Amino acid sequence: GAVVSQHPSRVICKSGTSVKIECRSLDFQATTMFWYRQFPKQSLMLMATSNEGSKATYEQGVEKDKFLINHASLTLSTLTVTSAHPEDSSFYICSARGGTSGLSNTGELFFGEGSRLTVL
Amino acid sequence: DAKTTQPTSMDCAEGRAANLPCNHSTISGNEYVYWYRQIHSQGPQYIIHGLKNNETNEMASLIITEDRKSSTLILPHATLRDTAVYYCIVRVAYGYALNFGKGTSLLVTP
Repeated sequence: GAVVSQHPSRVICKSGTSVKIECRSLDFQATTMFWYRQFPKQSLMLMATSNEGSKATYEQGVEKDKFLINHASLTLSTLTVTSAHPEDSSFYICSARGGTSGLSNTGELFFGEGSRLTVL
Repeated sequence: DAKTTQPTSMDCAEGRAANLPCNHSTISGNEYVYWYRQIHSQGPQYIIHGLKNNETNEMASLIITEDRKSSTLILPHATLRDTAVYYCIVRVAYGYALNFGKGTSLLVTP
């Protein structure tokens, strides 16, 4: 299957600092990428959808100025958690979908390994 | 996307078949059934998907009832590495993001 890579896998930061998480599609062009957040013992919650070259669409309750998403190329999307606080500590997961002629011919999504953020 | 209902947890002995059920009684004609799993502290992994017909790949088999209101994911010979949370998700192909419910926590025991 297609490969999606996230970096870093783990990050610890101080409260008030910003953290950037990268999501790359390694062997296909991802026209759309999704960012999820998962708190302990809970399911994945969609945060936002990003399409290459356009502004991200955020789910209700997700602050767009706090969670900055950039999808500048067909293989890279970044999530920046600005002014992080302890309540932002979570497991952040990205997923990607190719175009209609790509690997994903019936819409399955491919997920990164996840990035665990701990804010002290 | 249609709603799905899965048991909260299941156990399976190693080497036996694991049969994970999913109800999706409000599924519409253009919606697919997708199965993903999430091993602890990892991103979800695609397993299989189907529309009407039963499907099989190297990981699992998907059995969809004729009325499409329910399906079963079958892991033919479960191993300890199959211990994970399994998510059944229904949506149109090329739909937007996958909406994850609570899934079924499968524990494979020695």
